[in-house]
Amino acid sequence: SQTIHQWPATLVQPVGSPLSLECTVEGTSNPNLYWYRQAAGRGLQLLFYSVGIGQISSEVPQNLSASRPQDRQFILSSKKLLLSDSGFYLCAWSGSGNTIYFGEGSWLTVV
Amino acid sequence: AQRVTQPEKLLSVFKGAPVELKCNYSYSGSPELFWYVQYSRQRLQLLLRHISRESIKGFTADLNKGETSFHLKKPFAQEEDSAMYYCALLWGSGNTGKLIFGQGTTLQVKP
Repeated sequence: SQTIHQWPATLVQPVGSPLSLECTVEGTSNPNLYWYRQAAGRGLQLLFYSVGIGQISSEVPQNLSASRPQDRQFILSSKKLLLSDSGFYLCAWSGSGNTIYFGEGSWLTVV
Repeated sequence: AQRVTQPEKLLSVFKGAPVELKCNYSYSGSPELFWYVQYSRQRLQLLLRHISRESIKGFTADLNKGETSFHLKKPFAQEEDSAMYYCALLWGSGNTGKLIFGQGTTLQVKP
């Protein structure tokens, strides 16, 4: 069966520090991969999605970037965090059936 | 532009009362719509999708293209239904579809 893992689960980082959130999917090949952010009062916002290795689409201009170095690995990064980057980040994947499956999420607090 | 609107941030009802979580969408193509649910301390998961025309945990949702709505309904709410509910629209086609979420509605079922 397919599983999705993302880590770390919680992270407290100072302003200006770098960020790396990692997500891996098991049990499937060539999935679509997504990064969403759930900010307070703003619902779920799609940040990035990828249909293949090295193929990244950015949905909103921001201080973050994403990379897909391997088929089932998706990384969310920042070189210098801002206070506004705080939030709950969700990695997700989908296959041919269009249903999207979510990871457990990562809480990021920028202080 | 594609958009999903959930007008209510919080819906509070008593156990046994009917529930309707509102969702309206804006999409020029043929929509594929979903409801996702996030129970406390659990990951976001699919509740139902309109193409399945199924009832899950007593919930149903009918796509009304004339009113561009996909409201989620349950005739008798239970305390265990308390959760965050997201309406979502699949945008794009085939294997490159992206899921756009509404802002979410917190359902609180009081005893």
